[in-house]
Amino acid sequence: AQSVTQLDSQVPVFEEAPVELRCNYSSSVSVYLFWYVQYPNQGLQLLLKYLSGSTLVKGINGFEAEFNKSQTSFHLRKPSVHISDTAEYFCAVSEPGGYQKVTFGIGTKLQVIP
Amino acid sequence: DTAVSQTPKYLVTQMGNDKSIKCEQNLGHDTMYWYKQDSKKFLKIMFSYNNKELIINETVPNRFSPKSPDKAHLNLHINSLELGDSAVYFCASSPGTGRGEQYFGPGTRLTVT
Repeated sequence: AQSVTQLDSQVPVFEEAPVELRCNYSSSVSVYLFWYVQYPNQGLQLLLKYLSGSTLVKGINGFEAEFNKSQTSFHLRKPSVHISDTAEYFCAVSEPGGYQKVTFGIGTKLQVIP
Repeated sequence: DTAVSQTPKYLVTQMGNDKSIKCEQNLGHDTMYWYKQDSKKFLKIMFSYNNKELIINETVPNRFSPKSPDKAHLNLHINSLELGDSAVYFCASSPGTGRGEQYFGPGTRLTVT
């Protein structure tokens, strides 16, 4: 069975500083990986996804993530954060083929400090 | 043009009541989902439908009954509401199961008193 671990429940960072949000997954087969963002009182929105191909994936709002199969990781990065990036970030995994559900991590709260 | 819409946005009700939440998507997707997000932001899948067929049915009390009249609509009916049902319920849709991104509605905040 697939699972996702987000290692940090909260990450405070100063405005314009870089940030990395960590995500590790567990699966017995190949995987699809996603990062979603949830702004306060809103639904989740896809930031980026890895399905296959290049291991460096670029998403919206200047975010990127790198798929590392040997370390079973999919960490999210941004070189310079803005106040508007303050939100909850969810890593998610699914397995290809058939009716496979998406499993979400517990979320990481990114708090950007002015 | 709202892609995935839910009604109502807020729902406050008393224990023991029955309530429904409605969801509609105009993206032409085949698959729709219901998720429950608790106060700690943990997101748990409840149900998934593909072309009106139930394909995922997680361990959820049978007081919860989903219904999909067509592939653009997925409703959730809850009987005999309990305090522990208080949460935000999200509807989502996707073009396929497990591969593509999911598009989420704005959520319905259910408060049971």
